[in-house]
Amino acid sequence: EMQLVESGGGLVQPGGSLRLSCAASGFSISTYTMNWVRQAPGKGLEWISYITSGSSTIYYEDSVKGRFTISRDNAKNSLYLQMNSLRAEDTAVYYCSSSSGIGRFDPWGQGTLVTVSS
Amino acid sequence: DIQMTQSPSSLSASVGDRVTISCRASQSISSYLNWYQQKSGKAPKLLIYAASSLQSGVPSRFSGSGSGTDFTLTISSLQPEDFAAYYCQESYSSRYTFGQGTKLEI
Repeated sequence: EMQLVESGGGLVQPGGSLRLSCAASGFSISTYTMNWVRQAPGKGLEWISYITSGSSTIYYEDSVKGRFTISRDNAKNSLYLQMNSLRAEDTAVYYCSSSSGIGRFDPWGQGTLVTVSS
Repeated sequence: DIQMTQSPSSLSASVGDRVTISCRASQSISSYLNWYQQKSGKAPKLLIYAASSLQSGVPSRFSGSGSGTDFTLTISSLQPEDFAAYYCQESYSSRYTFGQGTKLEI
């Protein structure tokens, strides 16, 4: 079974940093584009970043550009999101997901909650 | 950027009802449209990809249609486990924009 498990969330003060991880099992992420999607409390889904299989192409949503960095280690079958200069509006559940060439996101991890508050 | 607009934002229905949710893109996205179901406190689940292809393991009561800018998710006969939020998503651009969601309630 293809499975993704996020970790690294928690409570952080405004301006602080956090690094999220996403570990895959049951498949190799090496041939997949990987994504981070977030969901603020009571709100909808927001795609924030993706990285292609060989890390050659990376995109960010405008509100996180310059503050967040996506990376991957195919040997460790893992995806990462380094989040710096965190703001209250970054408070959300963060999901990782793999996507195919036509952009269907499947599977998804269970999510990890990031709370930015003083 | 492509904007995705779902309607309605919420919908009340009963078990056995036929339900339709609409999604409109601000520009043509061909058939690069996916639908997800999200139950409370859970991760989203892929239902439909490429506008009309049913994801493996998803019940056949779910179907998708449309191309260009207008798309529809149909549930032919609502089951108790279908009460959830539904999101469309474009995969035409590099922004993978989601619609704002439709909450399906009893």
